[in-house]
Amino acid sequence: DGGITQSPKYLFRKEGQNVTLSCEQNLNHDAMYWYRQDPGQGLRLIYYSQIVNDFQKGDIAEGYSVSREKKESFPLTVTSAQKNPTAFYLCASSRTGGGPSGGEQYFGPGTRLTVT
Amino acid sequence: AQSVTQLDSQVPVFEEAPVELRCNYSSSVSVYLFWYVQYPNQGLQLLLKYLSGSTLVKGINGFEAEFNKSQTSFHLRKPSVHISDTAEYFCAVSSPDSWGKLQFGAGTQVVVTP
Repeated sequence: DGGITQSPKYLFRKEGQNVTLSCEQNLNHDAMYWYRQDPGQGLRLIYYSQIVNDFQKGDIAEGYSVSREKKESFPLTVTSAQKNPTAFYLCASSRTGGGPSGGEQYFGPGTRLTVT
Repeated sequence: AQSVTQLDSQVPVFEEAPVELRCNYSSSVSVYLFWYVQYPNQGLQLLLKYLSGSTLVKGINGFEAEFNKSQTSFHLRKPSVHISDTAEYFCAVSSPDSWGKLQFGAGTQVVVTP
């Protein structure tokens, strides 16, 4: 089955530690995205990548970093500089970034990160 | 810049009753419009989309939505809901030049009771 996997489902970290969230897709999609979800705020875009070895900041990139070394993988690192990292993180992909297909995104199951 | 407003944060509805979820958007350019559904502790799933053409679009699970350009709205409807429709619903907008950057509304929680 084609899809997006995110691991782990739940992640606990101490304040001051960096943590990396995994996202893998086998849909052969060019574009990938990371969103943060907080209650009552919808989804906010952290980073996106339209092609391998290229990525751009979204609306709330401060305190986060990404890499896109392989088409199928787009890991997100939450650094100690992120002031409020506790949230639900969702990874998504689309066939391409441009045009209407960019909005047709396939989402992973999410990782719930708790930092104490 | 684009923005999306979902007018109801929560909509309670009885099983087999109709439901309408309201979505308004603002944009200075032509838009693509989407509705996504999120079941508890899961990712989002695309329900339906408006790209161009017919203003009434049908999606999965019996949902439909109507694009109204003059009112800048894209309301979602279902004539008869099931308990399994209990979920959060998100309206989202993008444009031809936004390169996949979706702007999401804050979401509407639908609670279906027997």
